Amino acid sequence: EAGVAQSPRYKIIEKRQSVAFWCNPISGHATLYWYQQILGQGPKLLIQFQNNGVVDDSQLPKDRFSAERLKGVDSTLKIQPAKLEDSAVYLCASSLAYDSNQPQHFGDGTRLSIL
Amino acid sequence: DAKTTQPPSMDCAEGRAANLPCNHSTISGNEYVYWYRQIHSQGPQYIIHGLKNNETNEMASLIITEDRKSSTLILPHATLRDTAVYYCIVRGDTDKLIFGTGTRLQVFP
Repeated sequence: EAGVAQSPRYKIIEKRQSVAFWCNPISGHATLYWYQQILGQGPKLLIQFQNNGVVDDSQLPKDRFSAERLKGVDSTLKIQPAKLEDSAVYLCASSLAYDSNQPQHFGDGTRLSIL
Repeated sequence: DAKTTQPPSMDCAEGRAANLPCNHSTISGNEYVYWYRQIHSQGPQYIIHGLKNNETNEMASLIITEDRKSSTLILPHATLRDTAVYYCIVRGDTDKLIFGTGTRLQVFP
């Protein structure tokens, strides 16, 4: 079974530029999550999708972050404009269904560095 | 905030059992205990989860106390590749995983 795919693996941009990350979840997984992991901390949930609808985006800084999952499969997370404090690893995870107590499976993330 | 407390670091000799403790004294009746680990430069890897009963799979065993206020993850024969940060997470009906800072396990030869 193929895992969660993310690209790119690394990205370096200057502050105030924009950046986008892509995620392809495990086939058949209805629920998709984006997490932010700052160095030395555990991952923090940014947004959660069930199919193509948003379940929870309470922790997403909506003035600069946006995410979509238009066809209920792949997802993109965008930051515009980036700030220095956005330097982090952005992780995508997927699970079979919302609130099913099925485990979330993570990709290896995109490491973002802001200069 | 994370609902669990874990020691920041532990050591274990290769080939020995690694026993990682976790306190979750405020856990509710319908909340599961999940364990993940994160090896350097990789995403978190699911290990095991349980509600009340002890659980075992090919990776580890999970022992949950009868009052469910604490649990222990057991890696029966630790190898160098088990060196990682281990996260104990209480997952409720909101479906969220709220990560703490975990336990950094160092397996030495």
